[in-house]
Amino acid sequence: GAGVSQSPSNKVTEKGKDVELRCDPISGHTALYWYRQSLGQGLEFLIYFQGNSAPDKSGLPSDRFSAERTGGSVSTLTIQRTQQEDSAVYLCASSLFAGGNTEAFFGQGTRLTVV
Amino acid sequence: AQSVTQLDSQVPVFEEAPVELRCNYSSSVSVYLFWYVQYPNQGLQLLLKYLSGSTLVKGINGFEAEFNKSQTSFHLRKPSVHISDTAEYFCAVSGYTGRRALTFGSGTRLQVQP
Repeated sequence: GAGVSQSPSNKVTEKGKDVELRCDPISGHTALYWYRQSLGQGLEFLIYFQGNSAPDKSGLPSDRFSAERTGGSVSTLTIQRTQQEDSAVYLCASSLFAGGNTEAFFGQGTRLTVV
Repeated sequence: AQSVTQLDSQVPVFEEAPVELRCNYSSSVSVYLFWYVQYPNQGLQLLLKYLSGSTLVKGINGFEAEFNKSQTSFHLRKPSVHISDTAEYFCAVSGYTGRRALTFGSGTRLQVQP
């Protein structure tokens, strides 16, 4: 596709339910990132997939959060037993290479609201 | 590990006035530096980046930034702002080694007033 695509754009869920957020990166991009943007705050790093290497999961806030990247392309971020503090915009980005000097292209994000 | 500090959460400025958005970073390794912009209801897009070489880098829409290694700063400037520059601006850093993902600051909201 032309850019990074995320779905759904908005998700409202009840506290305690599980949610899955999807990210389609730009074709051919080897690196994929997930960030969380809370109201009035910056972007919080969650997880980073870099080609065939083991992902950097150091930013995941709890074991309720997990992510997969299948076939080096589509990624799914799963939040189990959602809590109200999980409400935020979840952003996905991809870059051509895994190096830190390459531009990251961001999707429009998924706005998650836990009620 | 890296961290980024954007001291100003909001910067109000009148149209056609100059502006500077401040960014300081800390890192135990050499870094690459970026500024991203997020217009209302849009995704983030790259404004400019410093990888190596000249410490003054120019980006889109007339913005520029200067890398100062001794002060660990990467301030963003524009000599004359427009209403359309109203947006959230994020400074970010990534390391040559270790974590390659971007570490972002908390953002600065630039509000350009007529």
